Amino acid sequence: GAVVSQHPSRVICKSGTSVKIECRSLDFQATTMFWYRQFPKQSLMLMATSNEGSKATYEQGVEKDKFLINHASLTLSTLTVTSAHPEDSSFYICSARMLVVGTSGGYNEQFFGPGTRLTVL
Amino acid sequence: GNSVTQMEGPVTLSEEAFLTINCTYTATGYPSLFWYVQYPGEGLQLLLKATKADDKGSNKGFEATYRKETTSFHLEKGSVQVSDSAVYFCALSDNQGAQKLVFGQGTRLTINP
Repeated sequence: GAVVSQHPSRVICKSGTSVKIECRSLDFQATTMFWYRQFPKQSLMLMATSNEGSKATYEQGVEKDKFLINHASLTLSTLTVTSAHPEDSSFYICSARMLVVGTSGGYNEQFFGPGTRLTVL
Repeated sequence: GNSVTQMEGPVTLSEEAFLTINCTYTATGYPSLFWYVQYPGEGLQLLLKATKADDKGSNKGFEATYRKETTSFHLEKGSVQVSDSAVYFCALSDNQGAQKLVFGQGTRLTINP
């Protein structure tokens, strides 16, 4: 259980075009999803928090008009990179948050997708 | 703001060696601490966690103890296997609001037979 998928896994596009990346929670509902960006040999940097039915919350320094996030259902969030440029080339990772109930109580755990490699020529 | 610093890699060990990957953090309040693992070609998976001081998280032979006095959460395993080769990320959550995760830079571990 708690599987998160991303589509596509890899995309190459020309500079100036827009690219949409989908993040789906396959076997659970997620009111909150997160979008991260990972540069080679570096850590994951949180870009934004995606909330179902409301506007995303962007981290400082992330252009919300550049990275459009839509969380229209409890199982799907999309990230659209608009007017992509070579500097947007990166590995984009999403996660979906789910309440996990254990023996010591409940806690929120993030389940991660496998990532999408974006290359902008 | 909150931050996580972990041991730089890459780390290369022989099978059955003892593993330590250091992780220290800076945070206000009482964060929860995590270790995530990323196997080649796969997404991040939660390896273990600890939610309060002196808690020990453990899974698959890995252990880490939440040390508030030293603000550390070092990952250890007594005898590593080739299948443990992966990238390991230390992370914290401030347990507030959306409970966002802050990650360390990751440590690539390679285990040779």
